[in-house]
Amino acid sequence: RKEVEQDPGPFNVPEGATVAFNCTYSNSASQSFFWYRQDCRKEPKLLMSVYSSGNEDGRFTAQLNRASQYISLLIRDSKLSDSATYLCVVNTGKLIFGQGTTLQVKP
Amino acid sequence: DADVTQTPRNRITKTGKRIMLECSQTKGHDRMYWYRQDPGLGLRLIYYSFDVKDINKGEISDGYSVSRQAQAKFSLSLESAIPNQTALYFCATSDPRTGGNNQPQHFGDGTRLSIL
Repeated sequence: RKEVEQDPGPFNVPEGATVAFNCTYSNSASQSFFWYRQDCRKEPKLLMSVYSSGNEDGRFTAQLNRASQYISLLIRDSKLSDSATYLCVVNTGKLIFGQGTTLQVKP
Repeated sequence: DADVTQTPRNRITKTGKRIMLECSQTKGHDRMYWYRQDPGLGLRLIYYSFDVKDINKGEISDGYSVSRQAQAKFSLSLESAIPNQTALYFCATSDPRTGGNNQPQHFGDGTRLSIL
């Protein structure tokens, strides 16, 4: 079993849609959690950290469920520019990256 | 100017050659990392360094070596390249002084390496 698992997608959604990604992790001692965004053939960039209380940044909401060991990312009012691969990242003492979930937002 | 710079950006070479990938940073971060990314797989950690001359193996260090002679530079070497080392390689940095274990990592633009 992979340490961090994501549905690779792709998720194809129309502009304006709300879309949610989940990610599960296996190490219950994981310390911190992140979502990164990666555009095609580009470097990953930090989108947001994920806190136990949940956190929101504009159209993006991240949540953590430690009991069930999953993390979610919700994107509201999707834009064409949101098309990318979203990487779930778990810190176990070092960063473990999921394989990513690809989002395609269509006009 | 990029904060984390990788050279070369692209490299095609033959099996058995020795390859060096360079990473330099202007962020003043102590911690540096080398990852590789393959289609369908997440980024996998090759080596990391928390300070000058500090070297630690990651998940997939076999066939690779690194050097950290200065805070700003972290180089990755493939001693004798083989085709399954064809991948996209990323260097990253982080600063433990900001956020402790919640520190994000900052990535270079990547090096696309092809071994024929």
